[in-house]
Amino acid sequence: RKEVEQDPGPFNVPEGATVAFNCTYSNSASQSFFWYRQDCRKEPKLLMSVYSSGNEDGRFTAQLNRASQYISLLIRDSKLSDSATYLCVVNGGGGADGLTFGKGTHLIIQP
Amino acid sequence: NAGVTQTPKFQVLKTGQSMTLQCAQDMNHEYMSWYRQDPGMGLRLIHYSVGAGITDQGEVPNGYNVSRSTTEDFPLRLLSAAPSQTSVYFCASSYRFINEQFFGPGTRLTVL
Repeated sequence: RKEVEQDPGPFNVPEGATVAFNCTYSNSASQSFFWYRQDCRKEPKLLMSVYSSGNEDGRFTAQLNRASQYISLLIRDSKLSDSATYLCVVNGGGGADGLTFGKGTHLIIQP
Repeated sequence: NAGVTQTPKFQVLKTGQSMTLQCAQDMNHEYMSWYRQDPGMGLRLIHYSVGAGITDQGEVPNGYNVSRSTTEDFPLRLLSAAPSQTSVYFCASSYRFINEQFFGPGTRLTVL
């Protein structure tokens, strides 16, 4: 069974701080990696894709470590609006049903 | 572009009733999928389709049917609703199965 593991949190972080999450995956043949954000009672939305070379988008940086089979998300200068659940998603490595979601990490930014 | 649309947003059913959750996308995506999300369980794949006329089962297919007669539409049918099917249902689409998926707003279903 393909697994994606995340620390569920919650992570309580003061505004302006830097916070990092990790996510581990079990299928070494996985091809695509993503971080999604999900607000309470809303649909998941793509935050960023994770490439082998890493990916940065403003305050957000994602890294992939294929050797150790984990991906990470770093949020710098956190804002109150960053409060959400962050889902690690791993795709491929098998059939077309290869999309596997982690259960999410709950982040709370405190003023 | 409307993206991925789902109807209805909310639904209450009695045990044994049947219904169809509608999903449509206007992005000409090949891949479409249905998930359910339950507290503490994360998103679980119910059924998916890699193109019109092709469907397959995901992790939790029992009690659900799907069809894909067009590229745009991917309805999910509950055959005989059970309280265990109380959940939030999300439809998603992507260009291909390895690409990022775009989600609809969800349908909140309660089965009494």
